[in-house]
Formats: sequence, C-alpha cells, structure tokens
Amino acid sequence: DAMVIQNPRYQVTQFGKPVTLSCSQTLNHNVMYWYQQKSSQAPKLLFHYYDKDFNNEADTPDNFQSRRPNTSFCFLDIRSPGLGDTAMYLCATSGRQGPYGYTFGSGTRLTVV
Amino acid sequence: AQSVSQHNHHVILSEAASLELGCNYSYGGTVNLFWYVQYPGQHLQLLLKYFSGDPLVKGIKGFEAEFIKSKFSFNLRKPSVQWSDTAEYFCAVGSNSGYALNFGKGTSLLVTP
Repeated sequence: DAMVIQNPRYQVTQFGKPVTLSCSQTLNHNVMYWYQQKSSQAPKLLFHYYDKDFNNEADTPDNFQSRRPNTSFCFLDIRSPGLGDTAMYLCATSGRQGPYGYTFGSGTRLTVV
Repeated sequence: AQSVSQHNHHVILSEAASLELGCNYSYGGTVNLFWYVQYPGQHLQLLLKYFSGDPLVKGIKGFEAEFIKSKFSFNLRKPSVQWSDTAEYFCAVGSNSGYALNFGKGTSLLVTP
C-alpha cells in the first residue's frame, strides 16, 4: 500500500545532542511537510518542501532544519535539542493541490532528556 | 492570521449517545475545512472535508459535518457513537492560497460501554 512511513516511532535523545528523524513516502507526492505536536496542543507546521523548494514557517526555530534528497525521503534535523522540543513530529505529504489531500505518517515521538 | 478553535477538549459519552463537536475558525478568505481522527497509537486519518457545494458533508464511519459560513463553524456530528469511536478529533482549516493546515487543539472523545 502507498503510504508515509516515519522512523523511528520513538526516539529519546539527550539535551543538546543532534537528532535526525526520517520520513519516506511511496505516494510520489510533490509536497512533504513536518508538523510538531506538543502534548495537548494542535499540530503546528514547521516547514514544507514543494518538490525541492524549501518553505520555512516564520516562527520555526533555527534549531530545526530539513533535507529532502529526493522525492521519496525527507529528514528533520534538530541541531541542539532542548527539553522544550519534546513532542510528536508528524510527517505528511500531499499532491500539488496541497491541503486537498494530505496523508500523514504515524509520527515519531521524541523525548529530550 | 488563521485560527481554529475547538471548544470541547474532553468529551465522555455513553454508547448510542449523539455526538456534536464544535469547531470555529477565523479567516477572511476562501477556506477548506477538515476533520481528522487519531485513534490511540495510530496516525491522523481524514474523516471528512469541505471545499464547496453542499454545506452538509458526509464522511466515513457515519460522521457528518455542517459548514455554516455565517457562523464560521464546521461542527462534527454523529447520531449514535460506538465504543470504537474513542479517539482524538481535530478540526483543521486550509486556505486556497497555501499548503499549510491549521489545526485546532483537538477534542478527546471517550465512549463508555
């Protein structure tokens, strides 16, 4: 089945230690997104790629970066995680129509200790 | 800026009770409206969406929602809930001019036998 896969499902990292979260898709969608969802809060868009074009949300911390080496893969890099970065990170994809057809991955639950 | 409000954060219902979850949004332009469900341990899944046309939208699993433009609302309803409807429900708004989905904080629904 075509889907969006996030690895790992759970990640524990130490304060200040760089961490990378992975997302892959078999849908051949143009757009890939990263959302951050903290406990009891709404998912918040961090950035998205339209093909190779990177679009950063204005309030996304500089600590968060992303790479998209090809259509299928997208990575979220947190250079120096702080305790406040503990959250669920959701990857999503869509076609050119954007919000018309999102597909979400299962998420990676990141805990910074 | 867009915002989405879900008024009920926690709802507890008995099986066969009727459900209505409130969602209000603020946005000046044309919007697309969504309800997503997240079952325990699973990824976000689309329940239903509204783009245009009939303001009463029917989704999967017996859910429906009504878009009332004058009230900026998109409330989710189900006539008779089941235990399997226990989940987190998110209302989301997307605009025609961008790719982001703006989510509400979610409503946690617990259906008791």
